[in-house]
Amino acid sequence: GAVVSQHPSWVICKSGTSVKIECRSLDFQATTMFWYRQFPKQSLMLMATSNEGSKATYEQGVEKDKFLINHASLTLSTLTVTSAHPEDSSFYICSARELGGMNTEAFFGQGTRLTVV
Amino acid sequence: TQLLEQSPQFLSIQEGENLTVYCNSSSVFSSLQWYRQEPGEGPVLLVTVVTGGEVKKLKRLTFQFGDARKDSSLHITAAQPGDTGLYLCAGRTQAGDMRFGAGTRLTVKP
Repeated sequence: GAVVSQHPSWVICKSGTSVKIECRSLDFQATTMFWYRQFPKQSLMLMATSNEGSKATYEQGVEKDKFLINHASLTLSTLTVTSAHPEDSSFYICSARELGGMNTEAFFGQGTRLTVV
Repeated sequence: TQLLEQSPQFLSIQEGENLTVYCNSSSVFSSLQWYRQEPGEGPVLLVTVVTGGEVKKLKRLTFQFGDARKDSSLHITAAQPGDTGLYLCAGRTQAGDMRFGAGTRLTVKP
């Protein structure tokens, strides 16, 4: 399958600072990328859908000013957690869907574990 | 609330036993995926089912998609300790995004 790379794999930051997480499709072009959050022992919850060249669509309850998403190219989307707080500590996972329509598969990155202290 | 209801949430069995995990929804999905996730890693795709009534087999794993494309099941035959992990179902909505079930945490004891 296609490869999606997330960076960093883990990050520890101080409360009040901002953290940027990158999601790259390495061997395919992705018109759509999805950002998920997963708390311990829970499933993945969709945060937002990111389309290249346009504004992201956020799920209900997800603050767009806190979780800034940029999808500037067909191979890169970034999620910036602004003014992070301990309750933002979580496992963040992106997935990317290959150019070609809604029925193509989406592939997942390896995740980024964010710890806010 | 989860769009997909997965059951059971936890399952602990002995090696050699069979098990079935269910994924149910009131919504119709264009496709449904099953994933397995290890701690600290992203989900790894096991199978995608697209056609209502479809059955796919992957070694000891059998996946079934309901006729109405609203539900699915994963059956594991003769479970092994290596099958231990978090199993997630995810449905592709008509809008194109994917929604996950709560997951089934399987433990297979030797």
